[in-house]
Amino acid sequence: DAGVTQSPTHLIKTRGQQVTLRCSPISGHKSVSWYQQVLGQGPQFIFQYYEKEERGRGNFPDRFSARQFPNYSSELNVNALLLGDSALYLCASTPQGRDGYTFGSGTRLTVV
Amino acid sequence: KQEVTQIPAALSVPEGENLVLNCSFTDSAIYNLQWFRQDPGKGLTSLLLIQSSQREQTSGRLNASLDKSSGRSTLYIAASQPGDSATYLCAVTGANSKLTFGKGITLSVRP
Repeated sequence: DAGVTQSPTHLIKTRGQQVTLRCSPISGHKSVSWYQQVLGQGPQFIFQYYEKEERGRGNFPDRFSARQFPNYSSELNVNALLLGDSALYLCASTPQGRDGYTFGSGTRLTVV
Repeated sequence: KQEVTQIPAALSVPEGENLVLNCSFTDSAIYNLQWFRQDPGKGLTSLLLIQSSQREQTSGRLNASLDKSSGRSTLYIAASQPGDSATYLCAVTGANSKLTFGKGITLSVRP
């Protein structure tokens, strides 16, 4: 079985641009979460979706948004990129919110 | 607000040594605790999941314990190998189902 897949693996954007990151959960997992990890820190919670509904949002500005599709895949969008948005963005899935999480390999975003 | 602490930030040991990595958390109202491994620039690999009703979990050379009342967990690695070199993160799942992570412990196992 495929694990959690994220795309793209790496990307470079310019300040002010917009970016969309994609995540496909493990088959059968209905909950998808997004985390941001900056160098030297633990991942920080951004969003959680369950059955296409937002179940939680971390302390991130409104420039960050996400959605979950009927097939449970998810997109994370970040508008008006800042240099400080440079980070590893991780997607995680779980059958339900409290069953332990499986993470993807992440998307490395660099804003220049 | 849940806070997770992992000390020290880095650890270097000779190959073959048994070692213990510590994790503490401030709010004991958790559903579970997970230990992850992260290689440089990579995603997170789940090592062990301990539910709040459990005391410990074992997988191969790894053993994790949980003392929810005192807000502590330990990850025991037996007979360490150079391939164990990585960053180890612990995370707790709270009532809102989100993970709260520590900053991790970077382990280096010297041949």
